[in-house]
Amino acid sequence: EVQLQESGPGLVKPSQSLSLTCSVTGYSITSNYWGWIRKFPGNKMEWMGYISYSGSTSYNPSLKSRISITRDTSKNQFFLQLNSVTTEDTATYYCARGRSIAAEWGQGTLVTVSS
Amino acid sequence: DIQMTQSPASLSASLGETISIECRASEDIYSNLAWYQQKSGKSPQLLIYAANRLQDGVPSRFSGSGSGTQYSLKISGMQPEDEGDYFCLQGSKFPWTFGGGTKLELK
Repeated sequence: EVQLQESGPGLVKPSQSLSLTCSVTGYSITSNYWGWIRKFPGNKMEWMGYISYSGSTSYNPSLKSRISITRDTSKNQFFLQLNSVTTEDTATYYCARGRSIAAEWGQGTLVTVSS
Repeated sequence: DIQMTQSPASLSASLGETISIECRASEDIYSNLAWYQQKSGKSPQLLIYAANRLQDGVPSRFSGSGSGTQYSLKISGMQPEDEGDYFCLQGSKFPWTFGGGTKLELK
């Protein structure tokens, strides 16, 4: 059974970078696609981007200049970095398995951007 | 981006009632649509993919239909455990986009 778990700071200051880790068990990240999705207060959701089994990435154009998704295959983890955050980046961040249809999701982690 | 308009925003159903939730896409998404259920404090669970294919382990009272720009999720016989938030996701054109969600409550 595949399981995903997000981890990282729950509070980030404006203009700083948000960094999250998704730890995957039960499935190798060198197979399939792995993405980051966020849910804003008020429930709007946004697919941020994904990294493929080969390490190639695709990012939502709305974030393209600020986002980076990388991975460490030795630890079966992938990472999200979002630069120059503002209060509008406050959201619950989920990692998920799948290129478009997210079959499994992590529990989510709330990240608040505030000074 | 493809806009996904989901309705209704909220719904209250009686035990055993059949309900439907709709998602309309701003352009043809060729059945590249999934439905999810999210219970409070939990991660989303995939119910339906490819518009009408039931994910393994999902009760058969859930069904999906539609084509082109119009899709729907039907629950045939509301159960207490079906309370939660439901949303659609289009996977036809990147960036994938979500419906605004439907809050389903037991009356």
